[in-house]
Amino acid sequence: QVQLVQSGGGVVQPGRSLRLSCAASGFTFSGHAMHWVRQAPGKGLEWVAVITSDGTTADYTDSVRGRFIISRDNSKNTLYLQMDSLRVQDTAVYFCARESSSGWHYWGQGTLVTVSS
Amino acid sequence: EIVLTQSPATLSLSPGERATLSCRASQNLGNFLAWFQQKPGQAPRLLIYDASIRATGIPARFSGSGSGTDFTLTISSLEPEDFAVYYCQKRGNPWTFGHGTKVEVK
Repeated sequence: QVQLVQSGGGVVQPGRSLRLSCAASGFTFSGHAMHWVRQAPGKGLEWVAVITSDGTTADYTDSVRGRFIISRDNSKNTLYLQMDSLRVQDTAVYFCARESSSGWHYWGQGTLVTVSS
Repeated sequence: EIVLTQSPATLSLSPGERATLSCRASQNLGNFLAWFQQKPGQAPRLLIYDASIRATGIPARFSGSGSGTDFTLTISSLEPEDFAVYYCQKRGNPWTFGHGTKVEVK
């Protein structure tokens, strides 16, 4: 069955870095674009970043562009989000999600990132 | 940038009642709209994609309609497990979400 298992969250000071991972199984990982979405405490969903199936193209929401990098290793069936220069306002639960022609049916379980001094 | 406005912010209903949730886009989306349900501590669950197509495994009491700028999610008869927050989302960069409608028990 399709699974997206996330890891890498935690508490970090402002200005520091953190890398999130999303390990995929149960489907052809290299056949799907992948996304990161976040949700600040008590708030709604915010799209963060996308990467194409072959990893050649990525895009970001304005608030993270230049600080975050989405990447993937199709040989390891894993998606990453490298987060640099973290800010307090980046505090959120981060979800990975699989894109398909029939919608975003599969999501990771979410991982909490807390940016605090 | 396209803005999605969901209304109402909160819907207070009883089990068995009909729920009608609205999502209005600031520009024409065609039928490129999805609906998600989210419960506390859980990842979002896809309900509807392309405005009106139910995702796999979604009960028939959930239906989506609309096109262009006005979209509706209808839950024909609320079950206890349907009390949650519902988000609409546009397809395409940026994959904007609405701010959500909370369906709560009256």
